[in-house]
Amino acid sequence: AQTVTQSQPEMSVQEAETVTLSCTYDTSESNYYLFWYKQPPSRQMILVIRQEAYKQQNATENRFSVNFQKAAKSFSLKISDSQLGDTAMYFCAFMVDNAGNMLTFGGGTRLMVKP
Amino acid sequence: SAVISQKPSRDICQRGTSLTIQCQVDSQVTMMFWYRQQPGQSLTLIATANQGSEATYESGFVIDKFPISRPNLTFSTLTVSNMSPEDSSIYLCSVQQGYEQYFGPGTRLTVT
Repeated sequence: AQTVTQSQPEMSVQEAETVTLSCTYDTSESNYYLFWYKQPPSRQMILVIRQEAYKQQNATENRFSVNFQKAAKSFSLKISDSQLGDTAMYFCAFMVDNAGNMLTFGGGTRLMVKP
Repeated sequence: SAVISQKPSRDICQRGTSLTIQCQVDSQVTMMFWYRQQPGQSLTLIATANQGSEATYESGFVIDKFPISRPNLTFSTLTVSNMSPEDSSIYLCSVQQGYEQYFGPGTRLTVT
């Protein structure tokens, strides 16, 4: 079974600064995908970024980038130039390739961006 | 990405009653999923619903409590049966497109 751990229940950052959210996972699988989802107070789950385990290059989407360390089973999310609209719960998630596409979520990190 | 809608967006129900939540997608998808998010918690998968087959339930969830229908490739329903206050949660449906899952806006259920 896969487990996903987010060790930071809450974080805060000043607007325009950079923040990194941590995520570690445990699996014996070799082919898998990792995701970060954002859930603002509206409760809509929004896919922020995806990383394929077979790719060494870290994924980037505008202000969002990841630091994927496969050997360490670590998958952190960096948010640059933080904006007030980034205030949300952030969930790290794991999916095994070709295994029913089930997502396993971490416990979440509540991020507050302060003006 | 797929556009997903859910009805109702929220409801307050009395214990012992049942509520059916609808999930509609704007494109045909093979795999749909139902998740529960208890207050202040993360998401937990209830079941996977593929069109033309019985839903597959995760450990701790049973068909009698959470019956699911999947009549076609764009629609699914989840019923929460014989509700108790412990069923108060957000219920979300999601769809698989490629290697990504996209979520509906969720249904906030409060059981009194």
